[in-house]
Amino acid sequence: NAGVTQTPKFRILKIGQSMTLQCTQDMNHNYMYWYRQDPGMGLKLIYYSVGAGITDKGEVPNGYNVSRSTTEDFPLRLELAAPSQTSVYFCASSYSGGNTEAFFGQGTRLTVV
Amino acid sequence: ELKVEQNPLFLSMQEGKNYTIYCNYSTTSDRLYWYRQDPGKSLESLFVLLSNGAVKQEGRLMASLDTKARLSTLHITAAVHDLSATYFCAVDIAGTGTYKYIFGTGTRLKVLA
Repeated sequence: NAGVTQTPKFRILKIGQSMTLQCTQDMNHNYMYWYRQDPGMGLKLIYYSVGAGITDKGEVPNGYNVSRSTTEDFPLRLELAAPSQTSVYFCASSYSGGNTEAFFGQGTRLTVV
Repeated sequence: ELKVEQNPLFLSMQEGKNYTIYCNYSTTSDRLYWYRQDPGKSLESLFVLLSNGAVKQEGRLMASLDTKARLSTLHITAAVHDLSATYFCAVDIAGTGTYKYIFGTGTRLKVLA
Protein backbone atom coordinates (compact mmCIF):
# COMPACT_ATOMS: atom_id res chain seq x y z
CA ASN A 1 0.00 0.00 0.00
CA ALA A 2 1.37 3.39 -0.99
CA GLY A 3 -0.65 5.41 1.56
CA VAL A 4 0.29 9.10 1.38
CA THR A 5 2.99 9.98 -1.15
CA GLN A 6 4.80 13.29 -1.29
CA THR A 7 7.13 14.62 -3.96
CA PRO A 8 9.79 15.87 -4.04
CA LYS A 9 11.59 14.64 -0.93
CA PHE A 10 14.11 17.47 -0.98
CA ARG A 11 14.22 20.84 -2.69
CA ILE A 12 16.31 23.98 -2.57
CA LEU A 13 14.65 27.18 -3.75
CA LYS A 14 15.99 30.64 -4.24
CA ILE A 15 14.22 33.57 -2.63
CA GLY A 16 11.33 34.68 -4.81
CA GLN A 17 10.95 31.40 -6.70
CA SER A 18 7.74 29.41 -6.66
CA MET A 19 7.07 25.71 -6.46
CA THR A 20 4.36 23.14 -5.88
CA LEU A 21 4.64 20.33 -3.37
CA GLN A 22 2.71 17.32 -4.51
CA CYS A 23 0.66 15.03 -2.29
CA THR A 24 -1.45 12.06 -3.29
CA GLN A 25 -3.20 9.39 -1.26
CA ASP A 26 -4.72 6.09 -2.33
CA MET A 27 -6.86 5.37 0.73
CA ASN A 28 -9.97 7.21 -0.52
CA HIS A 29 -9.77 9.60 2.43
CA ASN A 30 -11.86 12.73 2.15
CA TYR A 31 -9.78 14.76 4.59
CA MET A 32 -6.31 15.98 3.69
CA TYR A 33 -3.90 18.29 5.48
CA TRP A 34 -0.67 20.18 5.03
CA TYR A 35 1.59 20.78 8.00
CA ARG A 36 4.99 22.37 8.38
CA GLN A 37 7.54 21.39 10.98
CA ASP A 38 10.36 23.76 11.77
CA PRO A 39 13.58 22.29 13.24
CA GLY A 40 13.02 20.96 16.74
CA MET A 41 9.43 22.13 16.77
CA GLY A 42 5.93 20.72 16.54
CA LEU A 43 3.64 20.66 13.54
CA LYS A 44 1.65 23.67 12.42
CA LEU A 45 -1.40 23.27 10.21
CA ILE A 46 -1.16 25.26 6.97
CA TYR A 47 -4.31 24.28 5.06
CA TYR A 48 -6.75 21.43 5.09
CA SER A 49 -9.46 20.06 2.87
CA VAL A 50 -12.64 18.16 3.71
CA GLY A 51 -13.24 16.97 0.18
CA ALA A 52 -12.72 17.77 -3.47
CA GLY A 53 -13.34 21.44 -4.10
CA ILE A 54 -13.35 22.42 -0.41
CA THR A 55 -10.35 23.89 1.38
CA ASP A 56 -9.81 25.99 4.46
CA LYS A 57 -7.01 27.82 6.24
CA GLY A 58 -5.16 26.35 9.16
CA GLU A 59 -2.92 28.04 11.71
CA VAL A 60 -0.22 29.39 9.35
CA PRO A 61 -1.64 29.85 5.82
CA ASN A 62 0.19 33.01 4.75
CA GLY A 63 2.47 32.51 1.76
CA TYR A 64 0.76 29.30 0.63
CA ASN A 65 -2.10 28.24 -1.58
CA VAL A 66 -3.85 24.93 -2.08
CA SER A 67 -6.35 23.34 -4.40
CA ARG A 68 -8.27 20.09 -4.29
CA SER A 69 -9.67 19.03 -7.62
CA THR A 70 -9.72 15.29 -6.86
CA THR A 71 -10.08 13.14 -3.77
CA GLU A 72 -6.56 11.78 -4.23
CA ASP A 73 -4.49 14.93 -4.74
CA PHE A 74 -3.84 17.96 -2.56
CA PRO A 75 -0.96 20.10 -3.88
CA LEU A 76 0.56 22.95 -1.87
CA ARG A 77 1.78 25.99 -3.77
CA LEU A 78 4.48 28.31 -2.49
CA GLU A 79 4.54 31.69 -4.20
CA LEU A 80 7.53 34.00 -3.81
CA ALA A 81 9.52 31.75 -1.51
CA ALA A 82 11.06 33.32 1.58
CA PRO A 83 13.71 32.01 4.02
CA SER A 84 10.98 31.77 6.68
CA GLN A 85 9.43 28.98 4.61
CA THR A 86 12.45 26.76 5.13
CA SER A 87 10.90 23.77 6.84
CA VAL A 88 9.82 20.17 6.49
CA TYR A 89 6.37 19.87 4.98
CA PHE A 90 4.12 16.95 5.76
CA CYS A 91 0.96 15.98 3.98
CA ALA A 92 -1.58 13.82 5.80
CA SER A 93 -5.00 12.31 5.22
CA SER A 94 -7.77 10.86 7.33
CA TYR A 95 -11.07 9.07 6.94
CA SER A 96 -13.99 11.43 6.67
CA GLY A 97 -15.94 9.94 9.55
CA GLY A 98 -13.61 11.25 12.20
CA ASN A 99 -12.62 9.15 15.18
CA THR A 100 -9.52 8.05 13.35
CA GLU A 101 -5.97 9.16 13.18
CA ALA A 102 -4.29 10.99 10.33
CA PHE A 103 -1.79 9.15 8.16
CA PHE A 104 1.32 11.03 7.14
CA GLY A 105 3.53 11.13 4.09
CA GLN A 106 7.30 10.99 4.34
CA GLY A 107 7.74 14.74 4.15
CA THR A 108 9.39 17.27 1.85
CA ARG A 109 12.46 19.05 3.16
CA LEU A 110 12.51 22.55 1.68
CA THR A 111 15.34 25.04 1.99
CA VAL A 112 14.96 28.61 0.74
CA VAL A 113 18.26 30.42 0.18
CA GLU B 1 -7.82 29.35 19.72
CA LEU B 2 -6.95 25.80 20.62
CA LYS B 3 -3.64 25.34 22.36
CA VAL B 4 -2.02 21.99 22.97
CA GLU B 5 0.87 21.89 25.39
CA GLN B 6 3.13 19.04 26.32
CA ASN B 7 5.54 18.67 29.17
CA PRO B 8 8.26 18.05 29.53
CA LEU B 9 9.70 19.25 26.23
CA PHE B 10 12.84 17.21 26.74
CA LEU B 11 13.26 14.07 28.77
CA SER B 12 16.42 12.09 29.36
CA MET B 13 15.93 8.93 31.34
CA GLN B 14 17.76 5.78 32.23
CA GLU B 15 16.76 2.42 30.86
CA GLY B 16 14.44 0.58 33.19
CA LYS B 17 12.87 3.72 34.65
CA ASN B 18 9.26 4.85 34.46
CA TYR B 19 8.03 8.27 33.39
CA THR B 20 4.95 10.14 32.24
CA ILE B 21 4.51 12.70 29.47
CA TYR B 22 1.61 15.12 29.85
CA CYS B 23 -0.56 16.70 27.18
CA ASN B 24 -2.90 19.57 28.12
CA TYR B 25 -5.33 21.21 25.72
CA SER B 26 -7.38 24.34 26.02
CA THR B 27 -10.79 23.55 24.54
CA THR B 28 -13.42 20.87 24.56
CA SER B 29 -12.45 17.72 22.73
CA ASP B 30 -13.00 14.03 23.26
CA ARG B 31 -10.58 12.82 20.63
CA LEU B 32 -6.87 12.73 21.21
CA TYR B 33 -4.05 11.02 19.34
CA TRP B 34 -0.46 10.15 20.16
CA TYR B 35 2.26 9.93 17.53
CA ARG B 36 5.90 8.97 17.48
CA GLN B 37 8.53 10.59 15.26
CA ASP B 38 12.04 9.25 14.81
CA PRO B 39 14.74 11.73 13.73
CA GLY B 40 14.37 12.68 10.08
CA LYS B 41 11.29 10.50 9.68
CA SER B 42 7.56 10.93 9.38
CA LEU B 43 4.96 10.54 12.12
CA GLU B 44 3.67 7.14 13.16
CA SER B 45 0.35 6.74 14.94
CA LEU B 46 0.57 5.17 18.40
CA PHE B 47 -2.79 5.60 20.09
CA VAL B 48 -6.28 6.85 19.33
CA LEU B 49 -8.28 7.92 22.40
CA LEU B 50 -11.93 8.65 21.68
CA SER B 51 -13.71 9.11 25.00
CA ASN B 52 -13.30 10.22 28.57
CA GLY B 53 -11.47 7.58 30.57
CA ALA B 54 -10.09 5.82 27.50
CA VAL B 55 -6.92 3.85 28.14
CA LYS B 56 -4.79 2.16 25.51
CA GLN B 57 -1.62 0.12 25.97
CA GLU B 58 1.01 -1.13 23.58
CA GLY B 59 4.13 -2.72 24.96
CA ARG B 60 5.81 -0.34 27.39
CA LEU B 61 3.56 2.59 26.49
CA MET B 62 0.16 3.37 27.97
CA ALA B 63 -1.99 6.36 27.07
CA SER B 64 -5.03 7.74 28.87
CA LEU B 65 -7.51 10.54 28.38
CA ASP B 66 -9.37 12.70 30.90
CA THR B 67 -11.60 15.01 28.88
CA LYS B 68 -12.92 16.84 31.94
CA ALA B 69 -9.40 17.85 32.94
CA ARG B 70 -8.45 18.27 29.25
CA LEU B 71 -5.45 16.10 29.92
CA SER B 72 -3.87 13.08 28.34
CA THR B 73 -0.89 11.15 29.64
CA LEU B 74 1.60 8.85 27.96
CA HIS B 75 3.20 6.58 30.52
CA ILE B 76 6.45 4.79 29.84
CA THR B 77 7.19 1.66 31.82
CA ALA B 78 10.72 0.27 32.15
CA ALA B 79 12.10 2.37 29.32
CA VAL B 80 14.39 0.87 26.71
CA HIS B 81 16.68 2.61 24.24
CA ASP B 82 14.38 1.85 21.30
CA LEU B 83 11.78 4.20 22.76
CA SER B 84 14.04 7.18 22.10
CA ALA B 85 12.04 9.46 19.78
CA THR B 86 9.88 12.56 19.81
CA TYR B 87 6.30 12.03 20.96
CA PHE B 88 3.45 14.28 19.91
CA CYS B 89 -0.10 14.48 21.05
CA ALA B 90 -2.75 15.91 18.73
CA VAL B 91 -6.27 17.06 19.46
CA ASP B 92 -9.19 16.97 17.09
CA ILE B 93 -11.53 19.88 17.77
CA ALA B 94 -14.96 18.63 18.74
CA GLY B 95 -18.22 20.06 17.53
CA THR B 96 -17.00 21.98 14.51
CA GLY B 97 -18.11 19.45 11.93
CA THR B 98 -14.62 19.17 10.57
CA TYR B 99 -11.65 17.14 11.60
CA LYS B 100 -8.38 18.97 11.86
CA TYR B 101 -5.60 17.88 14.10
CA ILE B 102 -3.79 20.44 16.21
CA PHE B 103 -0.47 19.17 17.49
CA GLY B 104 1.31 19.69 20.74
CA THR B 105 4.83 20.98 21.05
CA GLY B 106 6.35 17.50 21.24
CA THR B 107 8.42 15.73 23.88
CA ARG B 108 11.88 14.65 22.86
CA LEU B 109 12.71 11.47 24.76
CA LYS B 110 16.20 10.07 25.09
CA VAL B 111 16.64 6.77 26.88
CA LEU B 112 20.16 6.21 28.09
CA ALA B 113 21.60 2.72 28.20
